[in-house]
Amino acid sequence: GEDVEQSLFLSVREGDSSVINCTYTDSSSTYLYWYKQEPGAGLQLLTYIFSNMDMKQDQRLTVLLNKKDKHLSLRIADTQTGDSAIYFCAEKGGDSSYKLIFGSGTRLLVRP
Amino acid sequence: DGGITQSPKYLFRKEGQNVTLSCEQNLNHDAMYWYRQDPGQGLRLIYYSQIVNDFQKGDIAEGYSVSREKKESFPLTVTSAQKNPTAFYLCASSITLSGANVLTFGAGSRLTVL
Repeated sequence: GEDVEQSLFLSVREGDSSVINCTYTDSSSTYLYWYKQEPGAGLQLLTYIFSNMDMKQDQRLTVLLNKKDKHLSLRIADTQTGDSAIYFCAEKGGDSSYKLIFGSGTRLLVRP
Repeated sequence: DGGITQSPKYLFRKEGQNVTLSCEQNLNHDAMYWYRQDPGQGLRLIYYSQIVNDFQKGDIAEGYSVSREKKESFPLTVTSAQKNPTAFYLCASSITLSGANVLTFGAGSRLTVL
C-alpha cells in the first residue's frame, strides 16, 4: 500500500540550513507536499511540487524531488527559531482520489 | 477572512458517551476531510466528502460517523464504539489548483476520554 516515511527529529543551529527528508512508495504519485505544524495548531501548507519537476524554490524553501528513488527533501535556508515545528511530507496518488497520504512528521528544533 | 473553524478546541468525554466535533468552512471548497493525529503516527484519514450528501470512509472509520448536509459543514461524531478516542482531530477542506489537491486545515480539536 501507499506509505510515506520521515525521520522523527532534526536539530540545527540558528542560521544554518535544515534539510528534512521524506521517502514514499507510490510510484504513481502526482503531487507531493510539505506542511508545517506549530504546537497545538493545525497544518499549514508550505509548498507542493508536481511529480514531473525536479526542484521548486520559494524564498528560503527549496524542494528537491528524485522520482527514481521516490525521495523528497525540503531545505530551509538560514533557519530561524520560528522555524521550529513539525514538518509533514504528503503525497497524492495517481488515481482520482482526493486523499493525501501523510508521513509521521519530522520535529525540527532550532537552537539559538 | 476565509478559513476553517473547528469547535470545541478541547473536549473531555466519559467512556460510553458520543461526542460531536464541529467543522465549518467559508472557503467555498467542495471537499472536506477529517484526520486523526496521534503522537509519532502522523495523520490518519477518518472520513472525507467530495460533495454535499456524499462521503467515503477513510483508513480508520470504525467508531466514527459523519454527515454532509451543507457544503460549509462536516461534523464528526465519535461514538462509544471507538475504542481509543483520545487524540487530536483535524478537519480540512480542499480546492484543486492545476491538479494539485491543496488542503487547508482547521486549528484542531483535542478530545480526551476520562
